[in-house]
Amino acid sequence: EIVMTQSPATLSVSPGERATLSCRASQSVRSNLAWYQQKPGQGPRLLIYGASTRAAVFPARFSGSGSGTEFTLTIRSLQSEDSAVYYCQQYNNWPPTFGPGTKLDIK
Amino acid sequence: DVQLVQSGAEVKKPGESLKISCKGSEYSFTNYWIAWVRQMPGKGLEWMGIIYPGDSDTRYSPSFQGQVTISADKSISTAYLQWSSLKASDTAMYYCARRDWNYVYFDYWGQGTLVTVSS
Repeated sequence: EIVMTQSPATLSVSPGERATLSCRASQSVRSNLAWYQQKPGQGPRLLIYGASTRAAVFPARFSGSGSGTEFTLTIRSLQSEDSAVYYCQQYNNWPPTFGPGTKLDIK
Repeated sequence: DVQLVQSGAEVKKPGESLKISCKGSEYSFTNYWIAWVRQMPGKGLEWMGIIYPGDSDTRYSPSFQGQVTISADKSISTAYLQWSSLKASDTAMYYCARRDWNYVYFDYWGQGTLVTVSS
């Protein structure tokens, strides 16, 4: 089973700034990596798939990059509504596995 | 729009059985895998298993094999997650999620069902 790790566990950033979230896989997952956003009291929402393809409902401020074992989610021009927990998930190997999440606070 | 609507919150005692549901609409339910994902209080997401409603082909995470049963009734576009004997450690939010057509990521999610197991 591929183990996913995320850093930092918590990130506090000011509105208008940029946030950089990292995700690492214990072995290569090629570009088979998704990101999800989960706001308090809500279910997760697909944000990025294929490591860099943004889901249509999200603005271009959100971008994903990376391949192999190292991935990054970048959120530019942070807004208060971006406060959430962000999870990465690999789907290159069975079973699919999630990272532990990064909590993003907009201070 | 694709929708996955889950059954309501449940409060149960240890040892009781439970079956929660997830009804899909606005897409071809039989042609997309449906997964169940657990989120324990204050914790992350754990993939439990997945079912293809078209033929009820089911796969389980090793961590959940034998602990739960996943099923589906394609005639009513509904997937199920059930327990035969609940434990306090089953207390969690449970989400159903639709798998993408080609890849094992999840493009639509239900609103979640909170299961509380307490004596």
